[in-house]
Amino acid sequence: GAGVSQSPSNKVTEKGKDVELRCDPISGHTALYWYRQSLGQGLEFLIYFQGNSAPDKSGLPSDRFSAERTGGSVSTLTIQRTQQEDSAVYLCASSTFPRGGYTGELFFGEGSRLTVL
Amino acid sequence: SQELEQSPQSLIVQEGKNLTINCTSSKTLYGLYWYKQKYGEGLIFLMMLQKGGEEKSHEKITAKLDEKKQQSSLHITASQPSHAGIYLCGAVDYTGANSKLTFGKGITLSVRP
Repeated sequence: GAGVSQSPSNKVTEKGKDVELRCDPISGHTALYWYRQSLGQGLEFLIYFQGNSAPDKSGLPSDRFSAERTGGSVSTLTIQRTQQEDSAVYLCASSTFPRGGYTGELFFGEGSRLTVL
Repeated sequence: SQELEQSPQSLIVQEGKNLTINCTSSKTLYGLYWYKQKYGEGLIFLMMLQKGGEEKSHEKITAKLDEKKQQSSLHITASQPSHAGIYLCGAVDYTGANSKLTFGKGITLSVRP
């Protein structure tokens, strides 16, 4: 597809279970972001991948959260031992990385809504 | 790290009225993005501002980055119900090894018909 694709769109899980959320960015986009959006809140930065550079993990809230980006394309966000406070919409975005170092326009996926019971 | 404060937190206007919302940064802005989000949907890019004093328009929405580059305002002329949603500003944060885009908490706009 032409846009950023995320799956699943909805995930309901029990507390303590592990979940994986997938993001398929726009082809050719070297930058990939994960954000979290809780009800009524803005976007909380989680992690950022840029090309072959080491990812910026400074936004991950705990060591239960991890993310990978294989082959510079698809990314998976994993949450281990989920807690109720992990319930949120997890948004993925990708962009080009123009010269000058600033981030190009971010294209967002529709998000994965996670509910932890 | 860079902090973005958006004001007001929420806004209700009558259809046809003009309105302005703001985004203030704790640091100099080197790239300021405005996005709109409909409830339960993804984010839609509105515009990006880079230079102090820069002003851009998209349909009835105009955004400006002030000269000192620490605040941006977004103005909607003759608001319509289709303008309702959450408006988020994002800025390039150069803290750390890589520049990354961080966002404010958003402003919820409701437009009464």
